[in-house]
Amino acid sequence: GAGVSQSPRYKVAKRGQDVALRCDPISGHVSLFWYQQALGQGPEFLTYFQNEAQLDKSGLPSDRFFAERPEGSVSTLKIQRTQQEDSAVYLCASSLGQGARQPQHFGDGTRLSIL
Amino acid sequence: GESVGLHLPTLSVQEGDNSIINCAYSNSASDYFIWYKQESGKGPQFIIDIRSNMDKRQGQRVTVLLNKTVKHLSLQIAATQPGDSAVYFCAESAPPSKIIFGSGTRLSIRP
Repeated sequence: GAGVSQSPRYKVAKRGQDVALRCDPISGHVSLFWYQQALGQGPEFLTYFQNEAQLDKSGLPSDRFFAERPEGSVSTLKIQRTQQEDSAVYLCASSLGQGARQPQHFGDGTRLSIL
Repeated sequence: GESVGLHLPTLSVQEGDNSIINCAYSNSASDYFIWYKQESGKGPQFIIDIRSNMDKRQGQRVTVLLNKTVKHLSLQIAATQPGDSAVYFCAESAPPSKIIFGSGTRLSIRP
């Protein structure tokens, strides 16, 4: 389809393992956002890319979280040395123009469970 | 700090009636607001947006009202249908790159 695609849909990892979550945005979309959504809560901003440039990473909760978008298209969110509090749904969104003042198109997320 | 909140966490509406979901925001400098619908196991889906130079915007069966004086946002859904059952989030932009989401209102439809 033409929407935002995230993989895997579900990921189970043991505490201390590293994980990588992938996002394929809508083709041609300049902006890409990552969010973390805890159960029963609204999504919380993690980081923002404009093309390949990571312009805002103020929402990343610790230095264990790292995101990249090397060619301005696909993005990967990596979490090192996972902890139980990292369990959440990780959502990716893209939008056509720059910045946050426009509708964002979300993927269905990756549900991460840390045992 | 900046926050977006909701007056009610759950809302039950008779099928066919109109639904009104309310939201308060705290940042008077916010100039762009969005409503998203999220169904179970899915990502948020854009419903409608409004900029601060407007006080009302209509879409298909939905209307968003913005009252900047009291920093209040509402989403009205006309003739609510079973397919409208979901969690609804209001969100505000925190330029240049953030969207701040509220905690959501769950809308359930009674047959």
